[in-house]
Amino acid sequence: AQKITQTQPGMFVQEKEAVTLDCTYDTSDPSYGLFWYKQPSSGEMIFLIYQGSYDQQNATEGRYSLNFQKARKSANLVISASQLGDSAMYFCAMRDGRDTGRRALTFGSGTRLQVQP
Amino acid sequence: EADIYQTPRYLVIGTGKKITLECSQTMGHDKMYWYQQDPGMELHLIHYSYGVNSTEKGDLSSESTVSRIRTEHFPLTLESARPSHTSQYLCASTGTGPSTLHFGNGTRLTVT
Repeated sequence: AQKITQTQPGMFVQEKEAVTLDCTYDTSDPSYGLFWYKQPSSGEMIFLIYQGSYDQQNATEGRYSLNFQKARKSANLVISASQLGDSAMYFCAMRDGRDTGRRALTFGSGTRLQVQP
Repeated sequence: EADIYQTPRYLVIGTGKKITLECSQTMGHDKMYWYQQDPGMELHLIHYSYGVNSTEKGDLSSESTVSRIRTEHFPLTLESARPSHTSQYLCASTGTGPSTLHFGNGTRLTVT
């Protein structure tokens, strides 16, 4: 069973508008962490934002915020005021109890975001 | 500014050659990882290490091998490259707590 699901292979957004990238996850562990990464065409992985399962408030980092809905097991990334430089692949990832020791992340299949001028 | 370095950035090599992909980090992290990623696809964990002299297979079976003789160095080796090994290989490391993985810039391997 897939642990991280990103149902949007591709998204378009107009410059300066907000966009939401969907992510749902599956775990039976009460303690887990959720991560979002950006991967430009150059290939490097850039960490954007983290949400812990016990965090009471949604995480925010500048123009990035995470819409965390625990009961629905969703952790959507919201990018406000999109910029042309936001065009990239975006990956949702999780670390749960299975990964507590090795501390690896399991990744979703990604969403390709294209920002249009 | 990168604290984890991968070389080479790009590698084109013929079938049957032995290759080593280098990965070094300066953060003193105990845990290090290799992920494999086909273009536009998700990342798959192929190897990880808890520390010196510790290596483990990841979730995706791989013909590659790794070693961890020094904390900062985690090279990946393919004894005999094949076209099916064509992919991007990303090295990462992490510290303690809920910390994220820090990734290198990746090596894009093409086997002809």
